[in-house]
Amino acid sequence: QLQLQESGPGLVKPSETLSLTCTVSGGSISSSSYYWGWIRQPPGKGLEWIGSIYYSGSTYYNPSLKSRVTISKDTSKNQFSLKLSSVTAADTAVYYCARRDRAIDYWGQGTLVTVSS
Amino acid sequence: EIVMTQSPATLSVSPGERATLSCRASQSVSSNLAWYQQKPGQAPRLLIYGASTRATGIPARFSGSGSGTEFTLTISSLQSEDFAVYYCQQYNNWPLTFGPGTKVDIK
Repeated sequence: QLQLQESGPGLVKPSETLSLTCTVSGGSISSSSYYWGWIRQPPGKGLEWIGSIYYSGSTYYNPSLKSRVTISKDTSKNQFSLKLSSVTAADTAVYYCARRDRAIDYWGQGTLVTVSS
Repeated sequence: EIVMTQSPATLSVSPGERATLSCRASQSVSSNLAWYQQKPGQAPRLLIYGASTRATGIPARFSGSGSGTEFTLTISSLQSEDFAVYYCQQYNNWPLTFGPGTKVDIK
């Protein structure tokens, strides 16, 4: 059974860079045809797609965040990562890592990241 | 960017009753539409993809229909575990976009 687990700091200061890692078990991120990505959800609000990385390494980002986002992968560790720069309080959210086949079929449990000094 | 809208925002239903949720896309997404269920404190769960195909393990009381810009999720007979927030999402175009959600609560 595929499992995804987010890890990283739960508190980030304004203007700094948010960094999260997703560790995948039960399957390889190098498997063809899957996208691996990040979605976030501010407290009490809806879901926002941040970006995805294809098994081949191609990346796709939400235009609203593109200037601040980098998604990368480490196939040797079966992990992929999110970096979001210049964060503000508006970036406070639960961050989910996920796999997309056609729809998003596997999700991590989510990790709350709070932006505050 | 394709904008997804959902109606109603909140749907109050009695257990055993039928629930019908609507989703609209600002332009055609063909059948590249998914529905997710989210309960408090949990990650979303995929219910439907391809507008009408149930994901693995999803009960038959959940059904999806539609294509193009108009979609419907129907829960034929609401069980206690079905009270949750439901999101539609298009994956026809980048960026992936979600609707704002419909909360199904107990009447």
